[in-house]
Amino acid sequence: AQSVTQPDIHITVSEGASLELRCNYSYGATPYLFWYVQSPGQGLQLLLKYFSGDTLVQGIKGFEAEFKRSQSSFNLRKPSVHWSDAAEYFCAVGDGNQFYFGTGTSLTVIP
Amino acid sequence: EAGVTQSPTHLIKTRGQQATLRCSPISGHTSVYWYQQALGLGLQFLLWYDEGEERNRGNFPPRFSGRQFPNYSSELNVNALELEDSALYLCASSWRGYTEAFFGQGTRLTVV
Repeated sequence: AQSVTQPDIHITVSEGASLELRCNYSYGATPYLFWYVQSPGQGLQLLLKYFSGDTLVQGIKGFEAEFKRSQSSFNLRKPSVHWSDAAEYFCAVGDGNQFYFGTGTSLTVIP
Repeated sequence: EAGVTQSPTHLIKTRGQQATLRCSPISGHTSVYWYQQALGLGLQFLLWYDEGEERNRGNFPPRFSGRQFPNYSSELNVNALELEDSALYLCASSWRGYTEAFFGQGTRLTVV
């Protein structure tokens, strides 16, 4: 069965520092992969997606993610974090029918 | 182009009552997904509708039900409300699961 693991429940970084959020998935075939961001009390906004092709994908707000098949990972990165990036981040896998979400990583940004 | 819209934004109900939540998908999207997000918890999958049919449901009791209309809009019904049903209910739509899921802003259900 498909599953998504986000090992880090909460991460704190300083403004201007780099960021990496981890995501591992379990899926038999090449999955559709997504990262979403959620501000408190709001819906989820798509940051980026991977369907096929180049394994390094660029998203909105300066985020990027790299698909590594050998590690079953799809980690999210940002070179310099801004205070407005503080939010909940969800990794998701799609199988062409449904979407499977990780439990999320809460990001705190300190000045 | 309009995104996924959910109504109402907020809903306050008394324990034992019924709640109805509505979702309008993006035009052209045939699949609608419902998720429950209780405070401090991640997204719990509730229901998936496609082409008017219920395709799958999560591990929730039968008092959580819904339907999808011919125009692909959907409603979620929660009967016999319990205090622990208080949560943000999120609706998402996709074109048959082959595109990313687009989310609405959610309905905040409070059971008192």
